[in-house]
Amino acid sequence: KAGVTQTPRYLIKTRGQQVTLSCSPISGHRSVSWYQQTPGQGLQFLFEYFSETQRNKGNFPGRFSGRQFSNSRSEMNVSTLELGDSALYLCASSADFGSNQPQHFGDGTRLSIL
Amino acid sequence: GEDVEQSLFLSVREGDSSVINCTYTDSSSTYLYWYKQEPGAGLQLLTYIFSNMDMKQDQRLTVLLNKKDKHLSLRIADTQTGDSAIYFCAESINGNKLVFGAGTILRVKS
Repeated sequence: KAGVTQTPRYLIKTRGQQVTLSCSPISGHRSVSWYQQTPGQGLQFLFEYFSETQRNKGNFPGRFSGRQFSNSRSEMNVSTLELGDSALYLCASSADFGSNQPQHFGDGTRLSIL
Repeated sequence: GEDVEQSLFLSVREGDSSVINCTYTDSSSTYLYWYKQEPGAGLQLLTYIFSNMDMKQDQRLTVLLNKKDKHLSLRIADTQTGDSAIYFCAESINGNKLVFGAGTILRVKS
């Protein structure tokens, strides 16, 4: 069974641009969550999607957004990029919505802002 | 509140046992997790424990949960150089949201 797939693995952007990251969950998994990992703030929850609806949201500005498609694949978008958005963005999938489902992570997309 | 704390660094000799400790604050957490992260990689789910359990064993891994003290530990028996990585403790809050500790760097000396 294939794991969580994130594309691209690496991205370089400049301030002010926007970026879209993609996540394909494990086959059959319906919930997708996104996390940001930085050396200073550690791992922080961005949002969770289930059945194409955002179910939970972390404390990030509105520049960070996401969506989920009918096949459970998810994308996150960051607009008006800032230097502080440089981070490893991790996607996790779980079988269902609710806290009784283990979450499996992809290898992440490393975003660098110049 | 939501807070998970871990010690930052642990160094052990190959073949010894490693014990990584974690404390959490949210008593409503239903599951507690241990993840491993190697350089340049994502998070690998090692094991998890339901909050009504006090112990779980999986091959070389033993998880102990003290719910009264909100303390979680991960014991790795016969630690190998391949176990060198960062280990994250996490609690699940409000659906699938995970709150992570800062991570414990495990260094295994041969």
